[in-house]
Amino acid sequence: GESVGLHLPTLSVQEGDNSIINCAYSNSASDYFIWYKQESGKGPQFIIDIRSNMDKRQGQRVTVLLNKTVKHLSLQIAATQPGDSAVYFCAESGGSEKLVFGKGTKLTVNP
Amino acid sequence: GAVVSQHPSWVICKSGTSVKIECRSLDFQATTMFWYRQFPKQSLMLMATSNEGSKATYEQGVEKDKFLINHASLTLSTLTVTSAHPEDSSFYICSASSGAVPYNEQFFGPGTRLTVL
Repeated sequence: GESVGLHLPTLSVQEGDNSIINCAYSNSASDYFIWYKQESGKGPQFIIDIRSNMDKRQGQRVTVLLNKTVKHLSLQIAATQPGDSAVYFCAESGGSEKLVFGKGTKLTVNP
Repeated sequence: GAVVSQHPSWVICKSGTSVKIECRSLDFQATTMFWYRQFPKQSLMLMATSNEGSKATYEQGVEKDKFLINHASLTLSTLTVTSAHPEDSSFYICSASSGAVPYNEQFFGPGTRLTVL
C-alpha cells in the first residue's frame, strides 16, 4: 500500500547550521509532494512543495530535492534558527486529493 | 493566504457524551474538507473526506457512525464524535481545499484538542 516514511525521527542541530530532513515514499504514482512544519499544539504549516516534473525547488532558506529514481525527498533548511524547531512532515499525493503523511522528524535547534 | 479556523480549540468531555468540532474556511469556498486525527508523537491520519452537499468518504477503519461529518456549506464542515470514550482523546485537524487544479492545495486549521475523561 501507499506509505511515506522518514529515515530519522529526531534531528538536533546547532543554530546557524544547515539541516537536512529526509523522507522516503513508496508510491511511484505520487506526483505532488509537500513539506509541512508543525509546532506543538498547532496545525501543519505549509513550507514548500514540489511536483514530480521537478528535481529541485527553492524557497526562502528552504530547498526541497526530489529523487524519483530512489523515491526520496529531502528538505534542506539553511542557517537553521531556534524558530525552526518543530516537527516536519513530508506528504505525498498521487491522482487524488488525499494526502499521505510521513511519520515526522522532530527538529531541535540548539542555541 | 487562505485561512481555516476550528472551534473549539480544545474541549474536555465526559465519557459517553458527544462533541462537535467545527471547521470553517474564512476567505475561500472549500469544495472539499478533510478531517485528520493525530495521536501524541504520531503523524496525521486521514479520517474522512467530505464534499459539500454529499456524504463523507471514510478511510478504512474509521467508524462512520461514531464520527459524523456534515459539510452543509462551502465554508463549514463539522465533525461530531458520538459517545466519546477516552481512546477518542486526540488532536483533530481539518483542512480545506478549493479544488483549484492542478495543485489541490490543502489549507490546515489549527486543530482541536479533545480530552475524554
